[in-house]
Amino acid sequence: EAGVAQSPRYKIIEKRQSVAFWCNPISGHATLYWYQQILGQGPKLLIQFQNNGVVDDSQLPKDRFSAERLKGVDSTLKIQPAKLEDSAVYLCASSLWATNTGELFFGEGSRLTVL
Amino acid sequence: QKEVEQNSGPLSVPEGAIASLNCTYSDRGSQSFFWYRQYSGKSPELIMSIYSNGDKEDGRFTAQLNKASQYVSLLIRDSQPSDSATYLCAVNSRDSSYKLIFGSGTRLLVRP
Repeated sequence: EAGVAQSPRYKIIEKRQSVAFWCNPISGHATLYWYQQILGQGPKLLIQFQNNGVVDDSQLPKDRFSAERLKGVDSTLKIQPAKLEDSAVYLCASSLWATNTGELFFGEGSRLTVL
Repeated sequence: QKEVEQNSGPLSVPEGAIASLNCTYSDRGSQSFFWYRQYSGKSPELIMSIYSNGDKEDGRFTAQLNKASQYVSLLIRDSQPSDSATYLCAVNSRDSSYKLIFGSGTRLLVRP
């Protein structure tokens, strides 16, 4: 079974530039998550999709971050314009359903450095 | 903001010892509790889940939950150098649409 695919693995940009990350979840997984993990911290949920609908985006900085999950499969997370504090690893995860099992399958992550 | 607190460590133990990792959480409505392991430069992976008070054992790992004290712990018996990683505590609840909230993690070092 193929895992969660993410790209690019690494990205270096200057502040005020834009960047986009792509995620393809495990086939059949209805729930998709984007987490931000800053060095030395735990993952912080940015947005949670159930199929192609947003379940939670309360911690997404909507003035600069946007995410979509068209057709309920793959997803794109965009940052525009980027700030220095956006330097982090962006983790995409998926699960079969949003339930109390808490078993999320994570991709390898996309490491963003903002200069 | 509902929080999950962990000591950042590092917790250093000799090979073969028991490593004890602790976590507290603020949301009394939390229903499900998880331990994820994250190797340096890698993504988190689920190693244990626990849903009711008491102990749950899986191989060398034991998760302990005390909802009254809002406390969850992970014991690793016969620690191996390969257990050296950051251990993330995570909780969720039905009331928050099963949003998984992570602690900042405890770094474990197992000395050969």
